[in-house]
Amino acid sequence: GEDVEQSLFLSVREGDSSVINCTYTDSSSTYLYWYKQEPGAGLQLLTYIFSNMDMKQDQRLTVLLNKKDKHLSLRIADTQTGDSAIYFCAVTQGNTGKLIFGQGTTLQVKP
Amino acid sequence: DSGVTQTPKHLITATGQRVTLRCSPRSGDLSVYWYQQSLDQGLQFLIQYYNGEERAKGNILERFSAQQFPDLHSELNLSSLELGDSALYFCASSVDQGEETQYFGPGTRLLVL
Repeated sequence: GEDVEQSLFLSVREGDSSVINCTYTDSSSTYLYWYKQEPGAGLQLLTYIFSNMDMKQDQRLTVLLNKKDKHLSLRIADTQTGDSAIYFCAVTQGNTGKLIFGQGTTLQVKP
Repeated sequence: DSGVTQTPKHLITATGQRVTLRCSPRSGDLSVYWYQQSLDQGLQFLIQYYNGEERAKGNILERFSAQQFPDLHSELNLSSLELGDSALYFCASSVDQGEETQYFGPGTRLLVL
C-alpha cells in the first residue's frame, strides 16, 4: 500500500530557513498536502500542490515536488518561534479522498 | 477555525464501554472523513462518507461504525472499548468525494481507562 516517510525531527535557529522533506510511493496521488499541528491542537492545512506542478510558493512557504523521485519538500523562510509544531506530509490515495499521512516532523525553532 | 466542529473535545471512559463522537462538516461540504491519531499508529484513515453513503473504508475495526445523516453531520461509534483505542479522533470534510482539500476539526481526545 501507499507509504509516506518523513524525518522525525528538525531543529533550526529563528530567522533561518527550515526544509522538511517527505517521500511517498504512490505515483497516482493527484494532490499532496502539508498540514501543521500545534501542541494539543487539530490539523491546520498549510498548503498543497497539484501533481502536475513542480513548485508552489505562498508567502513564507515554498513547496517543491519531484515526481520522478517521489519527493516533496516544504521550505519555511525566516522561521519564527511560532512555527514550532509538527508538520505532516499527506498524499491522496489513487482517486479517492483517503489521505495517507507521514509520521510527522517535529520542528523546533530556537530563539 | 476550519469550520468543522467536533464534540465532545474530551472523553474519558472505561474499557468495555461505548461512545459516540460527533462531527459537523463545513457548510456546503458533502464528504466527511474520520481519522485516528495515536502514538504508535500515527494518523490513520478510518472511513469516508459522501452525501450519506459510505465511500471508502480504511483500517477501521469491526467494533467501530459510522454514519452520515441527512443534514450531513456524522457520528463515529466506538464500542467494546479497549485501552488501545485511546487516541485523538479527527473528523475532516471536503466539498466532494474525490481528492479535494480536506479541512480538519479540532478532534476528540478519547481516554479509555
